Amino acid sequence: AQSVTQPDIHITVSEGASLELRCNYSYGATPYLFWYVQSPGQGLQLLLKYFSGDTLVQGIKGFEAEFKRSQSSFNLRKPSVHWSDAAEYFCAVGAPMGTGNQFYFGTGTSLTVIP
Amino acid sequence: DTGVSQDPRHKITKRGQNVTFRCDPISEHNRLYWYRQTLGQGPEFLTYFQNEAQLEKSRLLSDRFSAERPKGSFSTLEIQRTEQGDSAMYLCASSWDANTGELFFGEGSRLTVL
Repeated sequence: AQSVTQPDIHITVSEGASLELRCNYSYGATPYLFWYVQSPGQGLQLLLKYFSGDTLVQGIKGFEAEFKRSQSSFNLRKPSVHWSDAAEYFCAVGAPMGTGNQFYFGTGTSLTVIP
Repeated sequence: DTGVSQDPRHKITKRGQNVTFRCDPISEHNRLYWYRQTLGQGPEFLTYFQNEAQLEKSRLLSDRFSAERPKGSFSTLEIQRTEQGDSAMYLCASSWDANTGELFFGEGSRLTVL
């Protein structure tokens, strides 16, 4: 069964510090992987996605993520966190376009940034 | 603004009443999804349309829930005889076959059942 696990419910980091949010997935085929961010009162916004090719993908707002097939992981990183990064982050896995239509989301990691 | 829009943004209702939510996707998108999100959880898939055809429904979608997309454009999600457990954020998202899987989400419709 397809599933996504985000082990960290809540993370607090200092502004300027580095960040890593963990994501592990279970999927029967080659996954399409995504990270979304949700700020209070806002819709989910795509940060980055991985379909194939280079396992290190760059996204918006200075975020990057690395796909590690051997570990079934797709961790999100940012070298220097800004106060505006405080939000809820969701990892998701989906079926390739044309063959599937469901996207499975993790339970999210809430990020607090302290000055 | 040409993003996904949802209406109403907030709905408070009494148990047993019917409610309907509307979603207007991005105009060129032919895929439309409904998700439900409760506090502390990620979005849970409810149903999916490709054009006007409802191709998949989650087991979460009980008989009290019905969704339509009559002309392949906007969609409605109706909940009949609401229960307190239906209280959640209902999210709509759209996408286009030609893109690479990205979902574009609306801001959601929050339902509170008293």
